[in-house]
Amino acid sequence: EIVLTQSPATLSVSPGERATLSCRASQYVSSNYLAWYQHKPGQAPRFLIYASSSRATGIPDRFSGSGSGTDFTLTISRLEPEDFAVYYCQQYDSSPFTFGQGTRLEIK
Amino acid sequence: EVQLLQSGGGLTQPGGSLRLSCVVSGVTFSNYDMNWVRQVPGKGLEWVSTISATGDTTHYADSVKGRFTISRDNSKNTLYLQMSSLRADDTGIYYCARRYTSSWGNWLDPWGQGTPVTVSS
Repeated sequence: EIVLTQSPATLSVSPGERATLSCRASQYVSSNYLAWYQHKPGQAPRFLIYASSSRATGIPDRFSGSGSGTDFTLTISRLEPEDFAVYYCQQYDSSPFTFGQGTRLEIK
Repeated sequence: EVQLLQSGGGLTQPGGSLRLSCVVSGVTFSNYDMNWVRQVPGKGLEWVSTISATGDTTHYADSVKGRFTISRDNSKNTLYLQMSSLRADDTGIYYCARRYTSSWGNWLDPWGQGTPVTVSS
Protein backbone atom coordinates (compact mmCIF):
# COMPACT_ATOMS: atom_id res chain seq x y z
CA GLU A 1 0.00 0.00 0.00
CA ILE A 2 1.26 3.46 -0.90
CA VAL A 3 1.50 5.68 2.17
CA LEU A 4 1.07 9.41 1.62
CA THR A 5 2.60 11.82 4.11
CA GLN A 6 1.39 15.41 4.05
CA SER A 7 3.24 18.35 5.54
CA PRO A 8 2.84 20.45 7.43
CA ALA A 9 -0.02 19.15 9.52
CA THR A 10 -1.21 22.71 10.06
CA LEU A 11 -0.33 25.78 8.01
CA SER A 12 -1.16 29.31 9.16
CA VAL A 13 -1.30 31.86 6.35
CA SER A 14 -2.86 35.29 5.97
CA PRO A 15 -5.56 35.96 3.36
CA GLY A 16 -4.04 37.20 0.13
CA GLU A 17 -0.82 35.28 0.66
CA ARG A 18 0.38 32.02 -0.88
CA ALA A 19 0.08 28.57 0.68
CA THR A 20 2.23 25.61 -0.30
CA LEU A 21 1.18 22.12 0.81
CA SER A 22 3.32 19.02 0.39
CA CYS A 23 2.45 15.38 -0.20
CA ARG A 24 5.13 12.69 -0.25
CA ALA A 25 4.49 9.11 -1.35
CA SER A 26 6.23 6.05 0.07
CA GLN A 27 6.47 4.59 -3.44
CA TYR A 28 6.60 5.93 -6.97
CA VAL A 29 3.18 7.10 -8.15
CA SER A 30 3.10 6.25 -11.82
CA SER A 31 1.43 8.46 -14.41
CA ASN A 32 1.21 11.09 -11.69
CA TYR A 33 -2.02 9.50 -10.55
CA LEU A 34 -2.42 11.90 -7.66
CA ALA A 35 -5.45 14.00 -6.72
CA TRP A 36 -6.15 16.76 -4.22
CA TYR A 37 -9.38 17.42 -2.31
CA GLN A 38 -10.59 20.27 -0.14
CA HIS A 39 -12.68 19.46 2.92
CA LYS A 40 -14.60 21.87 5.11
CA PRO A 41 -16.42 20.84 8.30
CA GLY A 42 -19.94 19.64 7.66
CA GLN A 43 -19.49 19.57 3.91
CA ALA A 44 -18.70 16.99 1.28
CA PRO A 45 -15.06 16.85 0.22
CA ARG A 46 -14.48 18.83 -2.97
CA PHE A 47 -12.36 17.48 -5.81
CA LEU A 48 -9.68 19.98 -6.88
CA ILE A 49 -6.82 18.46 -8.87
CA TYR A 50 -6.21 15.28 -10.86
CA ALA A 51 -3.11 13.85 -12.53
CA SER A 52 -1.00 15.90 -10.16
CA SER A 53 -1.51 19.22 -11.95
CA SER A 54 -4.82 19.38 -13.81
CA ARG A 55 -7.60 21.43 -12.26
CA ALA A 56 -11.06 19.93 -12.03
CA THR A 57 -13.94 21.71 -13.71
CA GLY A 58 -14.85 24.95 -11.97
CA ILE A 59 -11.77 25.13 -9.75
CA PRO A 60 -10.27 28.64 -9.65
CA ASP A 61 -6.85 29.09 -11.23
CA ARG A 62 -5.36 30.18 -7.91
CA PHE A 63 -5.22 26.45 -7.16
CA SER A 64 -2.32 24.67 -8.85
CA GLY A 65 -0.74 21.28 -8.46
CA SER A 66 2.72 20.08 -9.36
CA GLY A 67 5.14 17.26 -8.82
CA SER A 68 5.86 13.76 -10.00
CA GLY A 69 7.14 10.44 -8.78
CA THR A 70 7.00 10.67 -5.02
CA ASP A 71 6.82 14.41 -4.31
CA PHE A 72 3.76 16.51 -5.00
CA THR A 73 2.68 20.03 -4.12
CA LEU A 74 -0.57 21.95 -3.97
CA THR A 75 -0.16 25.71 -4.17
CA ILE A 76 -2.90 28.20 -3.46
CA SER A 77 -1.95 31.70 -4.50
CA ARG A 78 -3.76 34.75 -3.15
CA LEU A 79 -5.70 32.96 -0.43
CA GLU A 80 -9.38 33.79 -0.22
CA PRO A 81 -11.39 33.43 3.04
CA GLU A 82 -13.21 30.41 1.61
CA ASP A 83 -9.94 28.55 1.00
CA PHE A 84 -9.30 27.85 4.67
CA ALA A 85 -10.02 24.15 5.06
CA VAL A 86 -8.33 20.76 5.29
CA TYR A 87 -6.62 19.52 2.14
CA TYR A 88 -5.98 15.88 1.32
CA CYS A 89 -3.87 14.27 -1.35
CA GLN A 90 -4.90 10.87 -2.70
CA GLN A 91 -3.13 8.42 -4.95
CA TYR A 92 -5.10 6.35 -7.43
CA ASP A 93 -2.14 4.54 -8.97
CA SER A 94 -2.49 1.32 -7.02
CA SER A 95 -5.15 -0.41 -4.97
CA PRO A 96 -6.16 0.37 -2.32
CA PHE A 97 -6.16 4.02 -3.17
CA THR A 98 -4.95 5.93 -0.15
CA PHE A 99 -5.19 9.41 1.30
CA GLY A 100 -2.68 11.54 3.13
CA GLN A 101 -3.54 12.50 6.67
CA GLY A 102 -4.43 16.03 5.61
CA THR A 103 -3.07 19.55 6.03
CA ARG A 104 -5.21 22.03 7.93
CA LEU A 105 -4.93 25.48 6.35
CA GLU A 106 -5.89 28.09 8.92
CA ILE A 107 -6.11 31.84 8.98
CA LYS A 108 -3.09 33.56 10.47
CA GLU B 1 -25.62 18.15 -11.82
CA VAL B 2 -24.62 14.92 -10.14
CA GLN B 3 -25.92 14.69 -6.59
CA LEU B 4 -25.40 12.08 -3.89
CA LEU B 5 -27.89 12.12 -1.00
CA GLN B 6 -27.03 10.02 1.99
CA SER B 7 -29.19 8.64 4.78
CA GLY B 8 -28.97 6.13 7.59
CA GLY B 9 -26.33 5.97 10.26
CA GLY B 10 -26.76 7.13 13.83
CA LEU B 11 -25.90 5.72 17.23
CA THR B 12 -25.48 2.06 18.04
CA GLN B 13 -23.79 -0.07 20.67
CA PRO B 14 -20.64 -2.09 20.06
CA GLY B 15 -21.57 -5.25 18.19
CA GLY B 16 -24.56 -3.55 16.61
CA SER B 17 -25.52 -2.99 13.01
CA LEU B 18 -26.39 -0.03 10.82
CA ARG B 19 -27.16 0.47 7.14
CA LEU B 20 -26.17 3.50 5.13
CA SER B 21 -27.81 4.52 1.87
CA CYS B 22 -26.73 6.87 -0.90
CA VAL B 23 -29.13 7.90 -3.65
CA VAL B 24 -27.50 9.19 -6.81
CA SER B 25 -29.17 11.54 -9.27
CA GLY B 26 -28.16 13.51 -12.35
CA VAL B 27 -26.14 10.71 -13.92
CA THR B 28 -26.58 7.14 -15.16
CA PHE B 29 -25.82 5.42 -11.87
CA SER B 30 -25.23 2.02 -13.42
CA ASN B 31 -22.26 3.34 -15.40
CA TYR B 32 -20.08 4.04 -12.38
CA ASP B 33 -18.16 2.25 -9.66
CA MET B 34 -19.06 3.60 -6.25
CA ASN B 35 -17.17 3.95 -3.00
CA TRP B 36 -17.54 4.49 0.71
CA VAL B 37 -14.93 6.59 2.50
CA ARG B 38 -14.93 7.48 6.19
CA GLN B 39 -13.40 10.15 8.36
CA VAL B 40 -12.51 8.95 11.81
CA PRO B 41 -12.43 11.62 14.55
CA GLY B 42 -9.06 13.31 14.73
CA LYS B 43 -7.86 11.52 11.64
CA GLY B 44 -8.06 11.90 7.92
CA LEU B 45 -9.98 10.15 5.20
CA GLU B 46 -9.94 6.37 4.96
CA TRP B 47 -11.21 4.35 2.02
CA VAL B 48 -13.71 1.72 3.18
CA SER B 49 -15.13 -0.11 0.18
CA THR B 50 -15.67 -0.09 -3.58
CA ILE B 51 -18.31 -1.76 -5.72
CA SER B 52 -18.19 -2.09 -9.50
CA ALA B 53 -20.82 -0.55 -11.75
CA THR B 54 -22.62 -3.85 -12.19
CA GLY B 55 -22.23 -4.87 -8.56
CA ASP B 56 -20.27 -7.98 -9.49
CA THR B 57 -17.02 -6.96 -7.85
CA THR B 58 -16.45 -5.57 -4.38
CA HIS B 59 -13.36 -4.58 -2.41
CA TYR B 60 -12.94 -3.77 1.27
CA ALA B 61 -10.37 -2.24 3.54
CA ASP B 62 -8.83 -4.83 5.84
CA SER B 63 -10.27 -2.98 8.82
CA VAL B 64 -13.87 -3.71 7.75
CA LYS B 65 -13.53 -6.94 5.78
CA GLY B 66 -15.96 -9.58 6.98
CA ARG B 67 -18.05 -7.02 8.90
CA PHE B 68 -19.23 -4.55 6.24
CA THR B 69 -21.06 -5.33 2.98
CA ILE B 70 -21.33 -2.91 0.10
CA SER B 71 -24.14 -3.34 -2.39
CA ARG B 72 -26.15 -1.41 -4.92
CA ASP B 73 -29.55 -1.40 -6.57
CA ASN B 74 -29.15 0.08 -10.02
CA SER B 75 -32.92 0.15 -10.52
CA LYS B 76 -33.16 2.52 -7.56
CA ASN B 77 -29.93 4.45 -8.19
CA THR B 78 -28.93 3.57 -4.66
CA LEU B 79 -25.71 2.49 -2.99
CA TYR B 80 -25.71 0.75 0.40
CA LEU B 81 -23.28 -0.08 3.16
CA GLN B 82 -24.43 -2.70 5.64
CA MET B 83 -22.28 -2.47 8.75
CA SER B 84 -22.28 -5.28 11.32
CA SER B 85 -20.24 -6.16 14.41
CA LEU B 86 -19.57 -2.47 14.80
CA ARG B 87 -16.71 -1.33 17.02
CA ALA B 88 -15.91 1.95 18.67
CA ASP B 89 -13.19 2.62 16.12
CA ASP B 90 -15.80 2.53 13.34
CA THR B 91 -17.13 5.82 14.69
CA GLY B 92 -16.86 8.58 12.15
CA ILE B 93 -18.49 10.32 9.23
CA TYR B 94 -19.16 8.09 6.25
CA TYR B 95 -19.19 9.47 2.72
CA CYS B 96 -20.31 7.87 -0.49
CA ALA B 97 -18.47 8.95 -3.61
CA ARG B 98 -18.62 8.23 -7.31
CA ARG B 99 -15.48 6.89 -8.91
CA TYR B 100 -14.96 8.89 -12.09
CA THR B 101 -12.79 7.23 -14.72
CA SER B 102 -10.93 8.90 -17.54
CA SER B 103 -7.75 8.49 -19.54
CA TRP B 104 -6.05 10.35 -16.71
CA GLY B 105 -7.01 7.69 -14.23
CA ASN B 106 -9.87 7.63 -11.79
CA TRP B 107 -10.78 9.70 -8.77
CA LEU B 108 -13.65 10.39 -6.40
CA ASP B 109 -16.09 13.02 -7.58
CA PRO B 110 -18.60 14.02 -6.39
CA TRP B 111 -19.11 13.04 -2.77
CA GLY B 112 -22.19 12.77 -0.62
CA GLN B 113 -22.78 15.10 2.29
CA GLY B 114 -21.70 12.54 4.87
CA THR B 115 -23.53 10.48 7.48
CA PRO B 116 -22.37 10.30 11.09
CA VAL B 117 -21.97 6.89 12.68
CA THR B 118 -21.38 6.61 16.43
CA VAL B 119 -20.58 3.32 18.11
CA SER B 120 -20.73 3.66 21.86
CA SER B 121 -22.16 1.90 24.87
